[in-house]
Amino acid sequence: AQRVTQPEKLLSVFKGAPVELKCNYSYSGSPELFWYVQYSRQRLQLLLRHISRESIKGFTADLNKGETSFHLKKPFAQEEDSAMYYCALRATQGGSEKLVFGKGTKLTVNP
Amino acid sequence: DTEVTQTPKHLVMGMTNKKSLKCEQHMGHRAMYWYKQKAKKPPELMFVYSYEKLSINESVPSRFSPECPNSSLLNLHLHALQPEDSALYLCASSHARTARTYEQYFGPGTRLTVT
Repeated sequence: AQRVTQPEKLLSVFKGAPVELKCNYSYSGSPELFWYVQYSRQRLQLLLRHISRESIKGFTADLNKGETSFHLKKPFAQEEDSAMYYCALRATQGGSEKLVFGKGTKLTVNP
Repeated sequence: DTEVTQTPKHLVMGMTNKKSLKCEQHMGHRAMYWYKQKAKKPPELMFVYSYEKLSINESVPSRFSPECPNSSLLNLHLHALQPEDSALYLCASSHARTARTYEQYFGPGTRLTVT
């Protein structure tokens, strides 16, 4: 089964505080995971992909195959980080590829 | 050009109308996608086209009819919709399966209201 679980529907932190958005996955092969972000009134866009091992806007995410997790972290949250965050898994179906999305976590960073 | 464009931005239609949503990309992507997104929910995949052929249909009702006339364009034809079909319809594109790096690029969406 291909599944992505984001256990927190809502997450609220204060500016400057650390933030961690949780993501767990279920996938029988070698997973490829992503974090997508949707700011208010903006299009859905890629934030991070695990194979790049990059830091974008101060966010990092490490794939932990033992725990089947891909949590998104930022040491000091900013107000502009407030957005909807979706964890997604690359999956194959019918010879094509698709993304399996988690239900999303709405992050609010308070001043 | 690294954008996916969608028209119209907003659409209001009655349950007996026929309308179409359009999506365009010029990134050379050979996979294109339609999603439906309800408020505060993740995008739900509807259709995937790969090399202009329909490869995934996620059991979408026949009142939604996709069309991929060429590698840059994707249409979604709408007919006899229900009020519960009101949502944001997103288009996305990506390189096809052979690509090592995979990223879907999303359009801004069409906000559809069915009255």
